[in-house]
Amino acid sequence: DVKVTQSSRYLVKRTGEKVFLECVQDMDHENMFWYRQDPGLGLRLIYFSYDVKMKEKGDIPEGYSVSREKKERFSLILESASTNQTSMYLCASSPLLAGVHEQYFGPGTRLTVT
Amino acid sequence: AQTVTQSQPEMSVQEAETVTLSCTYDTSENNYYLFWYKQPPSRQMILVIRQEAYKQQNATENRFSVNFQKAAKSFSLKISDSQLGDTAMYFCAFIYNYGQNFVFGPGTRLSVLP
Repeated sequence: DVKVTQSSRYLVKRTGEKVFLECVQDMDHENMFWYRQDPGLGLRLIYFSYDVKMKEKGDIPEGYSVSREKKERFSLILESASTNQTSMYLCASSPLLAGVHEQYFGPGTRLTVT
Repeated sequence: AQTVTQSQPEMSVQEAETVTLSCTYDTSENNYYLFWYKQPPSRQMILVIRQEAYKQQNATENRFSVNFQKAAKSFSLKISDSQLGDTAMYFCAFIYNYGQNFVFGPGTRLSVLP
């Protein structure tokens, strides 16, 4: 089974702190994604990466950055956390294979910024 | 812009009955895939069913089936013989561009009542 893990299930940070959310997948997937999930808005893509050291902006990249130094690991960074970044953050991965496109999700990190 | 609409924010169904969740989408792409994902309370998001847009036959997975109307850009999910474990948030999504663009709907919260 594909396993996607995230470093924390719950996180509480103060405004202005630098926050790191880490995601690891064990299936050698090329693509990795970071979403935030808010009620009534579904999942919105923050960033994705299709290879080591490669990244592409999603729909809402402002206030976030990412890092992918190893194929299995994709980090989301909040340079200076703000209260409007309180949300559920989901990481996902998918293989770059013809005909196989579904994403596999981690358990999520619920971040509260106070 | 690619969009996904789920017009039912919340639904409920009695155990053992059938329920249909609606989804419409808008895209100018010709090659894409459609998905229904399930997110149980406090649990990981998992894939329920997928449909290739080029296939006319509707996908089925045990008690789950879809009604895919490509011309109408409609992709509804039917759950037969509903079970308590089907209680979850359901997200409709479509993917294009070789798996690197994923668009999610806002979700429908389904409650299965005993």
